[in-house]
Amino acid sequence: EVQLLESGGDLVQPGGSLRLSCAASGFNFSNYAMTWVRQAPGKGLEWFAAIVASGRGTYYTDSVRGRFTLSRDNSRNTLYLQMNSLRAADTALYFCAKGTLNTYFSPLDSWGQGIFVTVSS
Amino acid sequence: DIQMTQSPSSLSPSVGDRVTITCQASRDIGKYLNWYQKKPGKAPNLLIYDASNLEAGVPSRFSGSGSGTDFTFTISSLQPEDIATYYCQQYDNLPITFGQGTRLDI
Repeated sequence: EVQLLESGGDLVQPGGSLRLSCAASGFNFSNYAMTWVRQAPGKGLEWFAAIVASGRGTYYTDSVRGRFTLSRDNSRNTLYLQMNSLRAADTALYFCAKGTLNTYFSPLDSWGQGIFVTVSS
Repeated sequence: DIQMTQSPSSLSPSVGDRVTITCQASRDIGKYLNWYQKKPGKAPNLLIYDASNLEAGVPSRFSGSGSGTDFTFTISSLQPEDIATYYCQQYDNLPITFGQGTRLDI
């Protein structure tokens, strides 16, 4: 059974940093692209970052580019999201998700339960 | 960015009703369109991929159709457990984008 477990969420002040982790099990992690999606309170889903299987390719939306860095350790089956210069607008429930292929362009067929990040003074 | 517009934003159907949600893309995305179900406090769940393919384990009352810019998602006979918010998602172009969601309330 595929499992994705996010951790690292917290309350942080504006301008602060946080690192989220997503521990994967039940599938060959090193074969699949991985994605982060977030949902701000009362809002819809926002796809904002993805990484290919090797870790040598990443994509970020304008809302996080230059502030967030996505990486992965295939030996540990873990995905990381380093978030710097956090803003109130980054307050959200963060989900990691597995693609069906090793490409950004694939449906997301397995998701973690999500982890809260709150940015507030 | 490709804008995805869902209609309606919310619905109040009854159990047993046929429910239809539309999703329009701001430009041609072929069949690169997925539908997800999202319940409060739960992870999103992939229901339909490539516009019309039912994900494994998803009940057959769910279906999808369309191509290009216009897509439709249907629940043939609404069940109580289907109360959720439904999102379309295009994956033809970066950035990948979601529709704003359609909330079903009973």
